[in-house]
Amino acid sequence: DGGITQSPKYLFRKEGQNVTLSCEQNLNHDAMYWYRQDPGQGLRLIYYSQIVNDFQKGDIAEGYSVSREKKESFPLTVTSAQKNPTAFYLCASSAERSINTGELFFGEGSRLTVL
Amino acid sequence: SQQGEEDPQALSIQEGENATMNCSYKTSINNLQWYRQNSGRGLVHLILIRSNEREKHSGRLRVTLDTSKKSSSLLITASRAADTASYFCATISGSEKLVFGKGTKLTVNP
Repeated sequence: DGGITQSPKYLFRKEGQNVTLSCEQNLNHDAMYWYRQDPGQGLRLIYYSQIVNDFQKGDIAEGYSVSREKKESFPLTVTSAQKNPTAFYLCASSAERSINTGELFFGEGSRLTVL
Repeated sequence: SQQGEEDPQALSIQEGENATMNCSYKTSINNLQWYRQNSGRGLVHLILIRSNEREKHSGRLRVTLDTSKKSSSLLITASRAADTASYFCATISGSEKLVFGKGTKLTVNP
């Protein structure tokens, strides 16, 4: 089945630790995105990548880092510099490099809790 | 930077009734999309309407777009308990980024 797989689904972290959230897609999509969702809020864009080995900061990139070494994979690292990391993280992809022309496909999300 | 604002924030109806959600935005757009999110899950794309379109249908969904009023509405007809979810509008306005509203939480009571 084609789709986007995020792991882990739930993650607990102690303050000061870096954690990496995995996002893999087998849809052969060029563009991939990371969003953060807080309770009762919309989605805010963290980073996006339109092509392998290239990525751009979104609206709330501080305290996060990404890589795009393979078309299928777009991992997100939440660093200790992120002051309020507890949130629901969503990865998405789109077939077109420009999402002016199409829809986003989302994974099931990863819920990060800082203890 | 929030572009779309959904209204109402929450809506509770009985099964079989119609549900209408609205989205207002501030700047001109290329297209507007509606997504559904079941609790604790990812978002699912419902429908995309382009700036030169006024209405689109998909099954029990009807979306309208009024660019002069900078608003869109999503109508779900003959609602079912399984339609219980949050519904988000998302807009593109020139940049490569899709901007989401805060969503409308719909509860359909059996």
